Amino acid sequence: AAGVIQSPRHLIKEKRETATLKCYPIPRHDTVYWYQQGPGQDPQFLISFYEKMQSDKGSIPDRFSAQQFSDYHSELNMSSLELGDSALYFCASSQDYPSTDTQYFGPGTRLTVL
Amino acid sequence: GNSVTQMEGPVTLSEEAFLTINCTYTATGYPSLFWYVQYPGEGLQLLLKATKADDKGSNKGFEATYRKETTSFHLEKGSVQVSDSAVYFCALSDPVRGNEKLTFGTGTRLTIIP
Repeated sequence: AAGVIQSPRHLIKEKRETATLKCYPIPRHDTVYWYQQGPGQDPQFLISFYEKMQSDKGSIPDRFSAQQFSDYHSELNMSSLELGDSALYFCASSQDYPSTDTQYFGPGTRLTVL
Repeated sequence: GNSVTQMEGPVTLSEEAFLTINCTYTATGYPSLFWYVQYPGEGLQLLLKATKADDKGSNKGFEATYRKETTSFHLEKGSVQVSDSAVYFCALSDPVRGNEKLTFGTGTRLTIIP
């Protein structure tokens, strides 16, 4: 079965650079979620989109922005990167509005800021 | 707000031992409850879920029962294997549209010794 695809899988950036992470949800899934997992930490919710509109917002820095496109893929844009942004970034997708469904996670993008 | 309190780790058991990982939650509504597993270097995989009180989720020999009266969702397995070594996250989501983000516990690292 198709799963959530994230690219790139690994990314190395310098401080103050920008990064773009991409997420391709499971076909027919209409909702995308982004989470950040620091080393040894639990995943923290950043932001979500339903039908290309932002549906919820968590602890996402103002330096980060995201959007969902007409084909339902999503991109997380990160600017002025800081050392503390080094983490594993997960995308998850789900289906079935109005009732919530299970979120299926991608393999994650490991971002290292030097 | 919603929160999940999970048994502190790490937990080390011998193969074929009985496993319990405690999880309790605080939520304002009627959340759905999940256990996710993260194997080394991999993403989060859904292990099991329960969406209403007294539901029992089960998968791969793991079980958890949604106990509203004790606000708990403890994970159990009767006989663990070396391949069960991973980090286990308890999580909840609020099934209200626009608020389905997952709130995770801190994770429990499980190591099974042959």
